[in-house]
Amino acid sequence: AQKITQTQPGMFVQEKEAVTLDCTYDTSDQSYGLFWYKQPSSGEMIFLIYQGSYDEQNATEGRYSLNFQKARKSANLVISASQLGDSAMYFCAMRGGYSSASKIIFGSGTRLSIRP
Amino acid sequence: GAVVSQHPSWVICKSGTSVKIECRSLDFQATTMFWYRQFPKQSLMLMATSNEGSKATYEQGVEKDKFLINHASLTLSTLTVTSAHPEDSSFYICSARSTGSRVGSEKLFFGSGTQLSVL
Repeated sequence: AQKITQTQPGMFVQEKEAVTLDCTYDTSDQSYGLFWYKQPSSGEMIFLIYQGSYDEQNATEGRYSLNFQKARKSANLVISASQLGDSAMYFCAMRGGYSSASKIIFGSGTRLSIRP
Repeated sequence: GAVVSQHPSWVICKSGTSVKIECRSLDFQATTMFWYRQFPKQSLMLMATSNEGSKATYEQGVEKDKFLINHASLTLSTLTVTSAHPEDSSFYICSARSTGSRVGSEKLFFGSGTQLSVL
């Protein structure tokens, strides 16, 4: 069985500071993928970053980086130099296996609020 | 980037009626689409996996006769909520994976969601 855990229901961060959103996962698959999505109040889901289980380097996408610690089964999202527009819900997600039909499950989410 | 169009964005209906939600991949082919349901301030719960040309795979606890899924082409999947009741009121969101990407790294592209309110 697969499971994604996000233990931070909400976080407040000062603008321009860095923030780390926690995510741990559990899976019996040897190959899997980890994702982070952002959901603003409009409801759309915005892809942020992807990490494959066999990728040796941590993924980075602009101000977003994924701190992948495979042995600990954690995939924390780091946002550098936070901006007011970063205020949103953030979901960690996982796909077990590399099949195109492999489903993706989501964590419970973290609501990030950036203070000016 | 790839675009997924979901229609309608909002729907209000009377109890007992059926509602159809469409999900289209606009510039790529999607053999697999996923339907999620999201309650306010909660996570996305996978309802079913929609496979082009075959029956959908439903998650445990999701009534297949209530939530009918049809994936007739590589660019269109529909979710029909049959005989809707107030407890079916929720945010429904579809997603599709582009088949052209490196296997394992494909992003899920999401529709903008449909807010269903059943009176």
